[in-house]
Amino acid sequence: AQTVTQSQPEMSVQEAETVTLSCTYDTSESDYYLFWYKQPPSRQMILVIRQEAYKQQNATENRFSVNFQKAAKSFSLKISDSQLGDAAMYFCAYRSPMTGTASKLTFGTGTRLQVTL
Amino acid sequence: DAGVTQSPTHLIKTRGQQVTLRCSPISGHKSVSWYQQVLGQGPQFIFQYYEKEERGRGNFPDRFSARQFPNYSSELNVNALLLGDSALYLCASSSKGQGAGNEQFFGPGTRLTVL
Repeated sequence: AQTVTQSQPEMSVQEAETVTLSCTYDTSESDYYLFWYKQPPSRQMILVIRQEAYKQQNATENRFSVNFQKAAKSFSLKISDSQLGDAAMYFCAYRSPMTGTASKLTFGTGTRLQVTL
Repeated sequence: DAGVTQSPTHLIKTRGQQVTLRCSPISGHKSVSWYQQVLGQGPQFIFQYYEKEERGRGNFPDRFSARQFPNYSSELNVNALLLGDSALYLCASSSKGQGAGNEQFFGPGTRLTVL
């Protein structure tokens, strides 16, 4: 079974600064998908960025980018030019691409990001 | 276009009661998944339904059941409620049952409190 670990329960960053959230995972599969989701106080889980394991290039979405280290099974999220609206819980998640299985997401325990002025 | 909708928003029940939670997927999406998120933890997978058939089930007791209707909406039922069932229940829809590009879009959740 796959597991996802987020070792930083809380992080804080000043507005306009850069912060990196860590995530490691364990799997025996060679192909899979990794995601970062944001959950603000409104509770709605929002997809921030995704990475396909067979792609060596790190995914980027505007101010959000990942550092995907497949051999180390590490998948960190970098937020540049942090904004007050980035304050939320951030969850790292894993999904197997295997056919015949449920398309379930396995989540980490989350990192609460605070953004200060 | 409307996103994933869930009802009710909040619910308070007592131990031993039964509860039904509802989810409507994004128009055109045929798959619905249910997750339980206990306070302070990440969501845990409960069920996935695709084309009205169960495609997967997480490690939850038989008190949890679900179904998907011809219009692809879904219900999650929990019988004999326990205090530990208190959680945020999230519904996610996707266009396909599995595979590449099968992104899941989440609803706002139903907060269930069991007293």
